[in-house]
Amino acid sequence: EAQVTQNPRYLITVTGKKLTVTCSQNMNHEYMSWYRQDPGLGLRQIYYSMNVEVTDKGDVPEGYKVSRKEKRNFPLILESPSPNQTSLYFCASSSSNTDRNEKLFFGSGTQLSVL
Amino acid sequence: KQEVTQIPAALSVPEGENLVLNCSFTDSAIYNLQWFRQDPGKGLTSLLLIQSSQREQTSGRLNASLDKSSGRSTLYIAASQPGDSATYLCAITGFQKLVFGTGTRLLVSP
Repeated sequence: EAQVTQNPRYLITVTGKKLTVTCSQNMNHEYMSWYRQDPGLGLRQIYYSMNVEVTDKGDVPEGYKVSRKEKRNFPLILESPSPNQTSLYFCASSSSNTDRNEKLFFGSGTQLSVL
Repeated sequence: KQEVTQIPAALSVPEGENLVLNCSFTDSAIYNLQWFRQDPGKGLTSLLLIQSSQREQTSGRLNASLDKSSGRSTLYIAASQPGDSATYLCAITGFQKLVFGTGTRLLVSP
């Protein structure tokens, strides 16, 4: 089954403790991206990747890191999480960059709480 | 900077009613517009994608239109069903970036 898999679904952590949210897709997609969703603010793009070893900042990249060492994986890293990073996070992928009119496939989300 | 607005924020209708959800955007230099559905506790599902050169797209009971000149898109849902209850988001694709609206929460009652 074609899917985007995120782990974990729920995560509670404390300020400053490094964490990684994993994202994997099995569709051989080139484009992958991370979003956070906050009430009243909608979804905002954190980082995106056009292909292996190619990443770029979205609208809200501060406090986050990403890497794209393999085509299927695109982990989101919070080196020193803070309470304002408490949010619902989504990973998404498409067969090419979104400018070429390919639909985005989303993971089920990761609810992160930073205490 | 692209801004995307969806009105209304919430909508409640009885089953069987035809309804229209609205999406407006400030920058007409877009590549495409997508409509998504989000169910509670789940990710987003792409419903329709309209390329900038297109005027509308249809899928089953759903019809989405795009008017770049006025910065508007509408999602028309025919003969609504309780299973259509969800949050609907529109998203504009610009240069490498996707900008989302804040969504319309739809409740269809039996």
